[in-house]
Amino acid sequence: QVTLKESGPVLVKPTETLTLTCSVSGFSLSSGEMGVSWIRQPPGKALEWLAHIFSNDAKSYTTSLKSRLTISKDTSQRQVVLTVTNMDPVDTATYFCARILAADTTIYYMDVWGKGTTVTVSS
Amino acid sequence: SYVLTQPPSLSVAPGQTARITCGGDKIGRKSVNWYQQKPGQAPVLVVYDDTDRPSGIPERFSGSNSVTTATLTISRVEAGDEADYHCQVWDDSGDPVVFGGGTKLTVL
Repeated sequence: QVTLKESGPVLVKPTETLTLTCSVSGFSLSSGEMGVSWIRQPPGKALEWLAHIFSNDAKSYTTSLKSRLTISKDTSQRQVVLTVTNMDPVDTATYFCARILAADTTIYYMDVWGKGTTVTVSS
Repeated sequence: SYVLTQPPSLSVAPGQTARITCGGDKIGRKSVNWYQQKPGQAPVLVVYDDTDRPSGIPERFSGSNSVTTATLTISRVEAGDEADYHCQVWDDSGDPVVFGGGTKLTVL
């Protein structure tokens, strides 16, 4: 059974760095056409993709936050880590990680999601 | 960057058919995924690559994609289908992953 679970602080202060961990089970971070995405959702708002990393270590970031994001993976620990620097109250959101599957070289989808972790940015 | 446009809300009576649209420039050339999200829960994939259903998703959920509009169709709507529905594509310019604004489906 494939599962993903997000963990991290519930509350961070403005200007601090947020570090989120996605712990996965049921699949490998080092094989196959798979990856892990981070997506966030501010209260009452739409989903916003942040970053992803594939089994071959290829990474992508959303243009709007690229300078503040870093994604990495630890295959042996089965974890994907996202850091977000210089946090601001507008970054208050639920943060999800999700597995990416490839049905083809150009067809990808996020088939299993974690339950999400809610992060509030406040002094 | 690529933009996906969804109606903010849609209301249907139980037993009727809900059609949720997702508009985008030449979206017919892209692979569209749809996610269902109930309040306080994570999104769940209900349709991928325009028309395919993951295992466990009822046949009442179907997808189509043509030219400028992709559509998620829910037949014989049930109270349990009340949720937000998000379309998503992979784009080869700008951000690689794009979500629509989401549509809140209300079952009357």
